Amino acid sequence: EAGVVQSPRYKIIEKKQPVAFWCNPISGHNTLYWYRQNLGQGPELLIRYENEEAVDDSQLPKDRFSAERLKGVDSTLKIQPAELGDSAVYLCASRPRDSGRVNEQFFGPGTRLTVL
Amino acid sequence: AQKITQTQPGMFVQEKEAVTLDCTYDTSDPSYGLFWYKQPSSGEMIFLIYQGSYDQQNATEGRYSLNFQKARKSANLVISASQLGDSAMYFCAMREGNTGNQFYFGTGTSLTVIP
Repeated sequence: EAGVVQSPRYKIIEKKQPVAFWCNPISGHNTLYWYRQNLGQGPELLIRYENEEAVDDSQLPKDRFSAERLKGVDSTLKIQPAELGDSAVYLCASRPRDSGRVNEQFFGPGTRLTVL
Repeated sequence: AQKITQTQPGMFVQEKEAVTLDCTYDTSDPSYGLFWYKQPSSGEMIFLIYQGSYDQQNATEGRYSLNFQKARKSANLVISASQLGDSAMYFCAMREGNTGNQFYFGTGTSLTVIP
């Protein structure tokens, strides 16, 4: 079974430029998460999708960040314009609806964003 | 208040020795799940072990075991017979409720295994 796929793996941009990250969750996983992980910190939730619906986006800075999950499968996270403080690793994770007792998330490799 | 607290920014352990990584949590929900993830330098979060709040026994998965002390709200990870490949960041996480969808992560502990 293929894991969570993210692209690109690395991105370097200048401040004020736009950037987009793509995530393809594990097939059949209806819950999708975007996290931001700053250097030396744990992941912090940006947005959670149940199928195509964003059910928790309270931590998403909506003035510059946007996300979509068309058809409840792939998802895109966009930043426009990027700021220096957005430099971080952006992690995507997915989870199936009925995953049994443990209910763990499955993570992708992340996209490391550097804003110059 | 922090949901998950990991007080050890960095730990060192000699190869083949055991090491304990600390984690305390805060919740008023009687039903919750506790997780440990490993994050090597490649960046991917790898699930290691799970402990449910109603589990009577401490979880074990190979060389990983979880020292679950419910009254103290601690869920320490024990890695036995450390290997060089165990060098990584380790994150403790919590999910509130049996079917809760939100996970809370600690700040992590960087483990270095010394040959």
